[in-house]
Amino acid sequence: EAGVAQSPRYKIIEKRQSVAFWCNPISGHATLYWYQQILGQGPKLLIQFQNNGVVDDSQLPKDRFSAERLKGVDSTLKIQPAKLEDSAVYLCASSLAQGNEQYFGPGTRLTVT
Amino acid sequence: GESVGLHLPTLSVQEGDNSIINCAYSNSASDYFIWYKQESGKGPQFIIDIRSNMDKRQGQRVTVLLNKTVKHLSLQIAATQPGDSAVYFCAENRGYGQNFVFGPGTRLSVLP
Repeated sequence: EAGVAQSPRYKIIEKRQSVAFWCNPISGHATLYWYQQILGQGPKLLIQFQNNGVVDDSQLPKDRFSAERLKGVDSTLKIQPAKLEDSAVYLCASSLAQGNEQYFGPGTRLTVT
Repeated sequence: GESVGLHLPTLSVQEGDNSIINCAYSNSASDYFIWYKQESGKGPQFIIDIRSNMDKRQGQRVTVLLNKTVKHLSLQIAATQPGDSAVYFCAENRGYGQNFVFGPGTRLSVLP
């Protein structure tokens, strides 16, 4: 079984630039999550999708972050414009259903200079 | 606010010894807990889980203990190996329909 795929693996941008991350969850997983993991901290949930609908985006900075999962499979997370404090690893995870074990991708390491 | 936390941010153990990683949680409604292992440059990987109707669960070389009275969770790794070096996170699920909240993590270093 293929795992959660993410791209790119690394990204370096200047502040005020835009960036987008892509995630392909495990086939058949209805629930998809985006987490932000700042160095030395645990993952923090940004947004959760159930199929193509948003279930929880309470911790997503909506003035600069956006995410979509149009066809209920792949998802993209965008930051526009980026700030220095957005430097982190962005993890995508998927699960069969909410509350089930989550499978994580390798993450995208973002550095904002 | 309520949070999941860890007593020790770093833990160093000799190869072959047993490791114990601790986690405190404050939400009595939490009913499902997972321990994750995160190696450098990788996403968190499931190790073992436990539900609140259990006190202990064993896997291969790992045991999770849950003490609901003091809201404490621990991960025991037997015969720690160099490959166990990683950051370990506990995550709690605060009830049906809720998401997992991750603690800050403990870095385990295995000394030769």
